[in-house]
Amino acid sequence: EAQVTQNPRYLITVTGKKLTVTCSQNMNHEYMSWYRQDPGLGLRQIYYSMNVEVTDKGDVPEGYKVSRKEKRNFPLILESPSPNQTSLYFCASSFGGLLYHEQYFGPGTRLTVT
Amino acid sequence: AQTVTQSQPEMSVQEAETVTLSCTYDTSESDYYLFWYKQPPSRQMILVIRQEAYKQQNATENRFSVNFQKAAKSFSLKISDSQLGDAAMYFCAYRSAIGDFGNEKLTFGTGTRLTIIP
Repeated sequence: EAQVTQNPRYLITVTGKKLTVTCSQNMNHEYMSWYRQDPGLGLRQIYYSMNVEVTDKGDVPEGYKVSRKEKRNFPLILESPSPNQTSLYFCASSFGGLLYHEQYFGPGTRLTVT
Repeated sequence: AQTVTQSQPEMSVQEAETVTLSCTYDTSESDYYLFWYKQPPSRQMILVIRQEAYKQQNATENRFSVNFQKAAKSFSLKISDSQLGDAAMYFCAYRSAIGDFGNEKLTFGTGTRLTIIP
């Protein structure tokens, strides 16, 4: 089954404790992206990647890191999480650019930083 | 920087009726792309419709159509013959056309929650 998977689905952590949210897709998609969704703010793009070793900033990259060492994986790293990073996070992938290709979203990861 | 505004946090419509969701945006660019995404309770995001700014003709996809007013920077979504399965959060999104390949930054609005009344 074609899908985007994220792990963990739920995470509660403390300020400053490094964490990684994994994202994996099995569709051989070139494009992957991370978003955060907050009430009243909608979805905001954090980082995206057009291919292996190619990443770029979205609208809210501060406090986050990403890497794209393999085509299928695009982990989101929070080196020193803070409470303002409490949010619902979505990973997405697409065969190519968003102009012509639909994004497939993962199920979301709800992160709470205390 | 571009901004996307959805001024209706919530909307409701009777089943089988028509509803229009509003979206306005601000940009200094002349060429860009606009999208409507649907997020049902399952939280998966689904692309509903896409509009290229250089096209004057409004995009349509079955019961979904847009009213694109470039001068007014308005991009509303019309859902005809509303069905219970249309209940979801709807997001409007903007993508610049600068750098067709590689510039994949999407800017979303805050969303409109649509309720369908049986």
